[in-house]
Amino acid sequence: GAGVSQSPSNKVTEKGKDVELRCDPISGHTALYWYRQSLGQGLEFLIYFQGNSAPDKSGLPSDRFSAERTGGSVSTLTIQRTQQEDSAVYLCASSLDGYRDQPQHFGDGTRLSIL
Amino acid sequence: AQKITQTQPGMFVQEKEAVTLDCTYDTSDQSYGLFWYKQPSSGEMIFLIYQGSYDEQNATEGRYSLNFQKARKSANLVISASQLGDSAMYFCAMREGGGGSYIPTFGRGTSLIVHP
Repeated sequence: GAGVSQSPSNKVTEKGKDVELRCDPISGHTALYWYRQSLGQGLEFLIYFQGNSAPDKSGLPSDRFSAERTGGSVSTLTIQRTQQEDSAVYLCASSLDGYRDQPQHFGDGTRLSIL
Repeated sequence: AQKITQTQPGMFVQEKEAVTLDCTYDTSDQSYGLFWYKQPSSGEMIFLIYQGSYDEQNATEGRYSLNFQKARKSANLVISASQLGDSAMYFCAMREGGGGSYIPTFGRGTSLIVHP
């Protein structure tokens, strides 16, 4: 079956522009996570959606970052007024539900480069 | 303080040998979960193995086993009979608590290179 799909796979943009990253989770998965991975670093948690509950935004680094999840499925991560330090790989993951330990299924990520 | 510590930035192993990747964790919770993921150069994170804090037996999945030492707060990954395809980054992760958000925290990873 289809895995987690992320688009675009690569994005190069100029500092100050807004970008939108898309994540299409595995069908039926109610939990969705966004992470950021900088070179040589582990995964930095950004935001978590579980069903219709209010998202956990505790990992968003600044108010330039926002995310939404429409219809409990596709999610979009938006970065406004991009800065060079936003350059990283943005990973999306989904799991069957967020109420117990479940393996996370990851997409291939979006590599974001800010010039 | 780091929640997950992976002290080995890089490891080398000969093909067909076993290798242990270290992971220590820091939590005061009684209920927690530990995960290992593999990230090949292609970038996709792949789930390998899971250990719950109340599980008495060490988890095993094929060539992967988790050496869980609760008192030492360590959850080392053992890969037996290494293969060239095992060359990748390996991440240890921990989920604490259970109050509603099951959000794992990841370590910085260990790079494993398997030599022929």
